[in-house]
Amino acid sequence: KQEVTQIPAALSVPEGENLVLNCSFTDSAIYNLQWFRQDPGKGLTSLLLIQSSQREQTSGRLNASLDKSSGRSTLYIAASQPGDSATYLCAVLELGQAGTALIFGKGTTLSVSS
Amino acid sequence: ETGVTQTPRHLVMGMTNKKSLKCEQHLGHNAMYWYKQSAKKPLELMFVYSLEERVENNSVPSRFSPECPNSSHLFLHLHTLQPEDSALYLCASSSSSGDNSGANVLTFGAGSRLTVL
Repeated sequence: KQEVTQIPAALSVPEGENLVLNCSFTDSAIYNLQWFRQDPGKGLTSLLLIQSSQREQTSGRLNASLDKSSGRSTLYIAASQPGDSATYLCAVLELGQAGTALIFGKGTTLSVSS
Repeated sequence: ETGVTQTPRHLVMGMTNKKSLKCEQHLGHNAMYWYKQSAKKPLELMFVYSLEERVENNSVPSRFSPECPNSSHLFLHLHTLQPEDSALYLCASSSSSGDNSGANVLTFGAGSRLTVL
């Protein structure tokens, strides 16, 4: 059974720092990996999607990498800002009993202070 | 606004009530999902409707009943819920190619916050 783990569970940094969020998954038979952002009381916003054949994706100050063989992904945030404060969720897309399904980690809650 | 609209945003109900959550998308997607987000737990997939076909999830209690009348609308009917069912219920949609190619990118709604007293 696929399990997705995110470390750390919470992170507090001052504005301007570069930071790395970690995600690991137990079964490497995935179609893709996605990083989402969730603001308090809100739904999920997709940030980056990495197909299983890709190694990384970049969008602005965000860079996500994928090492499928070792079951790891990292989300790098450059020059963090207070507006980056949110919970970041990692999810892998796999073929399960219910067809393709996203399996989520518990998330990393990020707080960036000004 | 993501293109996936959920109503109501907040719902408080007693254990004997019957209520429904509604989800609507106008993105032209052909797959819709219900996820449950409880405190301290990862998001859990509850139901999937893909290419107008429902995929059963045997781990979800029968007090939750989904309905997908067309590719743009999805309901979650709630009946005799328990306090532990209190959670954020998220709807999502995607374009499913039907071949499980992994190209699915899910778009999520803002969620319906359910409290069961």
